Amino acid sequence: DIQMTQSPSSLSASVGDRVVITCQASQDINTHLNWYQQKPGKAPNLLIYDISILQRGVPSRFSGSASGTDFTLTISSLQPEDIATYYCQQYDNIPYTFGQGTKLEIK
Amino acid sequence: EVQLVESGGGLVRPGGSLRLSCAASGFTFSTYDMYWVRQVTGKGLEWVSGIGTSGATYYPGSVKGRFTISRENAENSLYLQMNSLRADDTAVYYCTRAPTTVPSRYFDLWGRGTLVTVSS
Repeated sequence: DIQMTQSPSSLSASVGDRVVITCQASQDINTHLNWYQQKPGKAPNLLIYDISILQRGVPSRFSGSASGTDFTLTISSLQPEDIATYYCQQYDNIPYTFGQGTKLEIK
Repeated sequence: EVQLVESGGGLVRPGGSLRLSCAASGFTFSTYDMYWVRQVTGKGLEWVSGIGTSGATYYPGSVKGRFTISRENAENSLYLQMNSLRADDTAVYYCTRAPTTVPSRYFDLWGRGTLVTVSS
C-alpha cells in the first residue's frame, strides 16, 4: 500500500498568515493527489484534485503544488472559517490511502 | 437536492453483521463510481470499498472477505454488507462518489455518515 505522510500533524496560525501543509507519498503517484477539508462534526469536503485543480466554489486562497513525491497545500491568507483538519489522498493505486491529517487551529 | 444519506448503523456484537445503506438523490447515480470511507472518532480517514459503474468492486486488505459493497441503480442505492465485525471496525461510515466523466478520481460528494459500534 502507498503510505501518505502529512506534516505537521497540527498547526496553529494567526488570521492572515500563510499556511503550508505537506504530504509525502511513499512512491510515485503521478498527479493523483487530492486534498480534503473536514470541519468538526462534518463530512470531508473536496478542496483540490490532481495536485492543483480547485474544486468549484473553493476560495482562491487555497492552492496546491508538487515536487516529485512531495505535495503541498497552501492557504495564502488564513481565515477563521479555515479552521479544520486537512487530509491528502492518493488514487494512483488501490487501496486509495489518506494522510493522517493536519489539524489547523487559530492562534 | 444533490445528496447522499447513509443509514443502517448501530451497535453490534463482535462477530456480528450489519448492512449499511446509502440513498442517492439529485444526480444520475448510475454514472458515478461509489465508495465507502470510514473514520474512527478523532482519527483519520480510511477507504473501505469501492464499486464502479460496471459493478467491479475493490477492497483494502483490512476488510477483504468480510465486507461486500453493492449497488442498485434502479433504486439509486449503495450498500455495504459487513460480516465478522471486530471492535476495530467501530467508526463513522461515509458514503461518497467519484465522477467517471474525467480520468481523475476524487470524492466530490459525501454523506453525513452513519456510526457503527462493535462492542459486547
